[in-house]
Amino acid sequence: AQRVTQPEKLLSVFKGAPVELKCNYSYSGSPELFWYVQYSRQRLQLLLRHISRESIKGFTADLNKGETSFHLKKPFAQEEDSAMYYCALSALNTDKLIFGTGTRLQVFP
Amino acid sequence: DTGVSQDPRHKITKRGQNVTFRCDPISEHNRLYWYRQTLGQGPEFLTYFQNEAQLEKSRLLSDRFSAERPKGSFSTLEIQRTEQGDSAMYLCASSLSGARRGQDYGYTFGSGTRLTVV
Repeated sequence: AQRVTQPEKLLSVFKGAPVELKCNYSYSGSPELFWYVQYSRQRLQLLLRHISRESIKGFTADLNKGETSFHLKKPFAQEEDSAMYYCALSALNTDKLIFGTGTRLQVFP
Repeated sequence: DTGVSQDPRHKITKRGQNVTFRCDPISEHNRLYWYRQTLGQGPEFLTYFQNEAQLEKSRLLSDRFSAERPKGSFSTLEIQRTEQGDSAMYLCASSLSGARRGQDYGYTFGSGTRLTVV
């Protein structure tokens, strides 16, 4: 079965601390993995995807096929990073997304 | 183009009533999706269209739910005989299908319609 697991509902850190939001997936083929973010009172938006291998707003995520993980990392958290973060996967040849339950990141000053 | 628009933003209805939501996608996007999100959960896929064709429906979409996308532009999602369990945020998103995607990847989500069934 296709599944995305985000084990942490809430992650609280102080400004400047490193952040790692965990994501594990279950999928039999080669999925595409994404991180979506929802800031307060804003709509859900794409943060990054594994294919692009880019850093957005200081965040990176590496796909580890052996551990079936796609953890989101940032070396120094900022207060404006406070938001809800969702990991998602889609199968090849389809754009249907399967989301995890999300992790709320709180960055304290 | 102001992105994906959903109407209404909020809907309160009595159990047993029918409701209809509308989604206007980004004009050049040929795919349109409906998701449902309940408290504490991530969005769950309901159905999607490529142009006017409905290509996939989730088993979450019971017979009381119907979605249309006439002429491949806006879409409507109707829920008949609403139940309290239908209370959720209904999200619409649009995208370009793979072959046409290029650099414009990823969904653009609307702000959602929050349905409360009392």
